Amino acid sequence: EDKVVQSPLSLVVHEGDTVTLNCSYEVTNFRSLLWYKQEKKAPTFLFMLTSSGIEKKSGRLSSILDKKELFSILNITATQTGDSAVYLCAVVHGSSNTGKLIFGQGTTLQVKP
Amino acid sequence: SQTIHQWPATLVQPVGSPLSLECTVEGTSNPNLYWYRQAAGRGLQLLFYSVGIGQISSEVPQNLSASRPQDRQFILSSKKLLLSDSGFYLCAWKTRPGLAGVNEQFFGPGTRLTVL
Repeated sequence: EDKVVQSPLSLVVHEGDTVTLNCSYEVTNFRSLLWYKQEKKAPTFLFMLTSSGIEKKSGRLSSILDKKELFSILNITATQTGDSAVYLCAVVHGSSNTGKLIFGQGTTLQVKP
Repeated sequence: SQTIHQWPATLVQPVGSPLSLECTVEGTSNPNLYWYRQAAGRGLQLLFYSVGIGQISSEVPQNLSASRPQDRQFILSSKKLLLSDSGFYLCAWKTRPGLAGVNEQFFGPGTRLTVL
């Protein structure tokens, strides 16, 4: 059965800390891995990773994919209270026409001042 | 630019009542469309997806159905709601395959449904 597992499920840190969120997957016909940030409502897109070993970076956030070991990490440096959210990992799988996503359970990050 | 709308934003319905949630996308043509449900404290579960008008694929057996009467309109329905249908319903779209580097899905604001 296809699955995506995120860890930890929840995390509490203080402003300025660095956090690493993990996502492992077992899916057939892997196409790409996506990271989303979800605050109150709709998830907002962060990164799409397709190739192993190539880091994607946006400000204090970065992510990398390991297709051999079937996992990805999302790093957030110098965390701020505005980083508090649920971070979702999703894998695109199946035929190229459908673009179906399997989501992990999410990691709830709370950044305290 | 593309935008996606969902309504209503919140809904409280009694068990056994019907349901209709609507999603529309602007600024793109021939999108793939998706319905997800997010139960409290859990990840998103894909319910339906559509690659074109009238084409619906169901991912999980359930009490819900979906329809796509127009290219950029996606509707989620139920004839009789169950308590277990409560959750946060999200509609998403993505461009058709073939466009390099465009594989991510974009989500609407969601509908929070409470069945009592």
